Amino acid sequence: GQQLNQSPQSMFIQEGEDVSMNCTSSSIFNTWLWYKQDPGEGPVLLIALYKAGELTSNGRLTAQFGITRKDSFLNISASIPSDVGIYFCAGPTTSGTYKYIFGTGTRLKVLA
Amino acid sequence: DTGVSQNPRHKITKRGQNVTFRCDPISEHNRLYWYRQTLGQGPEFLTYFQNEAQLEKSRLLSDRFSAERPKGSFSTLEIQRTEQGDSAMYLCASRAGVNVNTGELFFGEGSRLTVL
Repeated sequence: GQQLNQSPQSMFIQEGEDVSMNCTSSSIFNTWLWYKQDPGEGPVLLIALYKAGELTSNGRLTAQFGITRKDSFLNISASIPSDVGIYFCAGPTTSGTYKYIFGTGTRLKVLA
Repeated sequence: DTGVSQNPRHKITKRGQNVTFRCDPISEHNRLYWYRQTLGQGPEFLTYFQNEAQLEKSRLLSDRFSAERPKGSFSTLEIQRTEQGDSAMYLCASRAGVNVNTGELFFGEGSRLTVL
């Protein structure tokens, strides 16, 4: 079935640094969603992408829908301590089911 | 607050007991999902409702799990004869949208189950 692989798995950065992470698949997606999850909480939607090549921003966050439709990227500029958490990419499968699948997650830790 | 609401937030039970979780989706959303998440993993799909119809269940879903969405509003997820392996965060999500596989999925805060 379709799978989403995220990299890096985890990263430690200094406050103020920019962060980049990506999500790749061996098959095509028509929608990419990026979420942030804090410990003990549900995932919170950050950005939704619907069109190949689309670049969308939400404050310090910018995400792109890859041209091949098999990948997506999330960038965080000028990181702050509250950016700590796990970032997941997700998308609806295109294999005749209704489910959305999630990536393996990128755990971000920000050092003050 | 008009977001997705789940309760209870935490449930501790003994092995063999039955537990039930409730989800109230965003009011205008007709599509509802249940996911399970274990530590260090991404959410794993369990089941999907469109209005009151349960249209998809994961092959991984044991017969001990059952979900309902009477009247197409709130949903319940019941786990019978719980096992320690059922310990996880159970997440509910909802979305609107006419198209089958597009649209933004909004999650509740989750119900954490611990089976002793």
